[in-house]
Amino acid sequence: GEEVAQTPKHLVRGEGQKAKLYCAPIKGHSYVFWYQQVLKNEFKFLISFQNENVFDETGMPKERFSAKCLPNSPCSLEIQATKLEDSAVYFCASSREAGLEAFFGQGTRLTVV
Amino acid sequence: KQEVTQIPAALSVPEGENLVLNCSFTDSAIYNLQWFRQDPGKGLTSLLLIQSSQREQTSGRLNASLDKSSGRSTLYIAASQPGDSATYLCAALWAGNQFYFGTGTSLTVIP
Repeated sequence: GEEVAQTPKHLVRGEGQKAKLYCAPIKGHSYVFWYQQVLKNEFKFLISFQNENVFDETGMPKERFSAKCLPNSPCSLEIQATKLEDSAVYFCASSREAGLEAFFGQGTRLTVV
Repeated sequence: KQEVTQIPAALSVPEGENLVLNCSFTDSAIYNLQWFRQDPGKGLTSLLLIQSSQREQTSGRLNASLDKSSGRSTLYIAASQPGDSATYLCAALWAGNQFYFGTGTSLTVIP
């Protein structure tokens, strides 16, 4: 596709439940990024992939967060045992190569109640 | 430590004015700098990307400059329109392929 597609747009989970977010990068893009926007303009880097390989996972809370990018499937970000503090908008982005223009999806708004 | 800051946090201008948004970064060894706009409740729309070897990029009424030695980038918007109202974010990329975002400038163009 010509745009980064994220699903669902909104997700509500009770505290302790699992949440799974999906991202289809632009076709032909090798790099995928996940960011968390908690406060209005604070973007926290979570993880990046080069194709199906983890490139940088320094931002991932290791205990409950996991992510995958498998061939011929949307990338996914999964949060086990969600906490109230996980409430945020999660953005996925892709770029053709490292250092090139990144394109962001519309985000998934996760609300943990 | 790599940090990106944007000043001012908010800006209101009358329609038709030219304006400049500022972005500062701490480490001059950036790979590139990208400007985005974000409308309320929406994703990020890429506006301009400046590679480290470039001094400026232009797209329509937008012009972005990059001065690595002073750690600054500016986004110039000519003849502002109410439709330009949004939050503008700059993001710097250093080694590691991870964008560091500024806190944004919220722009309101008054008709």
